[in-house]
Amino acid sequence: DAGITQSPRHKVTETGTPVTLRCHQTENHRYMYWYRQDPGHGLRLIHYSYGVKDTDKGEVSDGYSVSRSKTEDFLLTLESATSSQTSVYFCAISEQAANQPQHFGDGTRLSIL
Amino acid sequence: RKEVEQDPGPFNVPEGATVAFNCTYSNSASQSFFWYRQDCRKEPKLLMSVYSSGNEDGRFTAQLNRASQYISLLIRDSKLSDSATYLCAVNNYDMRFGAGTRLTVKP
Repeated sequence: DAGITQSPRHKVTETGTPVTLRCHQTENHRYMYWYRQDPGHGLRLIHYSYGVKDTDKGEVSDGYSVSRSKTEDFLLTLESATSSQTSVYFCAISEQAANQPQHFGDGTRLSIL
Repeated sequence: RKEVEQDPGPFNVPEGATVAFNCTYSNSASQSFFWYRQDCRKEPKLLMSVYSSGNEDGRFTAQLNRASQYISLLIRDSKLSDSATYLCAVNNYDMRFGAGTRLTVKP
């Protein structure tokens, strides 16, 4: 299994609070991704990174920010959480953007009350 | 129209049956294709890549039809352990996933 660790695995918080999710990889892959998965929508890309300090927006980036200060760590921040951000969040990694599969972490279940 | 579409199912089949899923995609420039398996409350796991000439891995066969813009997954001799949701993924520097097809294999 790919060495990807997400933390926390579960979190319950209140609307308006900041939340940071962490993804840590031991594979030294260049690309890292944050997705959310909701019933009926499948996996949707929030943000991705193509190197240290290099990030870009995905399909559903509003309300989220990311940072990557080291190859192995990719952080996802919800500055002011809303109930619509209740979801399962997956981190993924890949060696290249094209023609390579992505490998996923275990996921973080986030509930915003 | 979604970029990648799958029949959500559920597909309920008896053990030993053959079952096939299709996945259509809208971006004709898509370069690479994959099938993932996702168990309940778990992460997606790569099942197999899909190559232009079609490829097989044990009981699983994947096909690509570029002209009609779909990929397929065939599972032969279904096992109880094949029960899961199967996601297709299509990549053109930007991976897009289908919402998944749920399969339940029954004794």
